[in-house]
Amino acid sequence: AQSVTQLDSHVSVSEGTPVLLRCNYSSSYSPSLFWYVQHPNKGLQLLLKYTSAATLVKGINGFEAEFKKSETSFHLTKPSAHMSDAAEYFCVVSDDSNAGNMLTFGGGTRLMVKP
Amino acid sequence: KAGVTQTPRYLIKTRGQQVTLSCSPISGHRSVSWYQQTPGQGLQFLFEYFSETQRNKGNFPGRFSGRQFSNSRSEMNVSTLELGDSALYLCASSRRLGGPTLVQETQYFGPGTRLLVL
Repeated sequence: AQSVTQLDSHVSVSEGTPVLLRCNYSSSYSPSLFWYVQHPNKGLQLLLKYTSAATLVKGINGFEAEFKKSETSFHLTKPSAHMSDAAEYFCVVSDDSNAGNMLTFGGGTRLMVKP
Repeated sequence: KAGVTQTPRYLIKTRGQQVTLSCSPISGHRSVSWYQQTPGQGLQFLFEYFSETQRNKGNFPGRFSGRQFSNSRSEMNVSTLELGDSALYLCASSRRLGGPTLVQETQYFGPGTRLLVL
């Protein structure tokens, strides 16, 4: 079984300061890990994806995440927050078994950016 | 390339009715997955269809069903609607070639169908 825990349900930062959204995962198989973002009343947009090629993954809009197997973590960071980053972020795990294409989502972290 | 499209975008139904939602995947994508998003339960996997066959199913009652057509378009149906079925229903498509894979194919999401059950 696989699971994802996003350690903060809400994160508030000031514009121009760093962003850190924390995620821990549990998976029986070699996992693929994703971060998706959801703006209000919109669907989910892929930010970045880890598939064991490199532990530091760069995504869109300046976001990146580091896979740490020993800590079972996949935290999302951005050096400088922008007002447009305000949204809900989901850490997602998918195993590479033949059980199907099922994604398991964390509970989400709502990022607020103050001017 | 056009993204995943879902119709309708908004729907209001009453308890006991049934509803059918539609999803058209990205061209060339053969796998379609459905997810339910609610404030209380978050995002939960409903089922996945690949080559017109249900490959995997989440922990939802039998009132929730789906199908996939030969052109990869998918529909999901909810019968005997309950108030708790009010949610955003998201569809995602991926290339998923079938069988064990070394790399998980990315799922691309549509904008969702917001269902309100009164």
